[in-house]
Amino acid sequence: AQSVTQLGSHVSVSEGALVLLRCNYSSSVPPYLFWYVQYPNQGLQLLLKYTTGATLVKGINGFEAEFKKSETSFHLTKPSAHMSDAAEYFCAVSVYEAAGNKLTFGGGTRVLVKP
Amino acid sequence: EPEVTQTPSHQVTQMGQEVILRCVPISNHLYFYWYRQILGQKVEFLVSFYNNEISEKSEIFDDQFSVERPDGSNFTLKIRSTKLEDSAMYFCASSEVAGGKTGELFFGEGSRLTVL
Repeated sequence: AQSVTQLGSHVSVSEGALVLLRCNYSSSVPPYLFWYVQYPNQGLQLLLKYTTGATLVKGINGFEAEFKKSETSFHLTKPSAHMSDAAEYFCAVSVYEAAGNKLTFGGGTRVLVKP
Repeated sequence: EPEVTQTPSHQVTQMGQEVILRCVPISNHLYFYWYRQILGQKVEFLVSFYNNEISEKSEIFDDQFSVERPDGSNFTLKIRSTKLEDSAMYFCASSEVAGGKTGELFFGEGSRLTVL
């Protein structure tokens, strides 16, 4: 079974500052890792994903994440926060199984951006 | 760009009533899912569906819930007798399992269910 832990349910950053959202996962087999964003009253939008290959992955809106197997981590970063980044961010893990790619989500981190 | 669509966007119902939430997955996708998110909580897996049958379900998905793909395009979630604790946002998702097996799920915008 897989699990995801997101450290910090709320993060507050100043506009222009670094955004760092932490995610650690547990998986008995090589995982697929994802970050999804949820803006208020909207659905889940994929930010980026890691499947195989390069461990540093770039996503939309200037976000990137690095897969570190030794640390079982997949932290999300953005060098300079923008007001529009205020949202909730979910880290998720899946593995390919015959039954399909069920996602297991972390608890989410709500980001507040201060002007 | 292809997308998953869900209806209704918001439904209010009385406790004990039956509710059907509808989803149209992306047309070439083979796997279909329902997730739910109770207000302020994490997104939770309910059920996955492949080849016209349930492939996996969580402990949340009890006998009150059922899923169906009635016509080859729609994918529905039925709650037979709603309870207050069924109030949540329900997300439909679909995925394509091809050679790459990327594991990416595409989500709809959700159906908010409020049980009074």
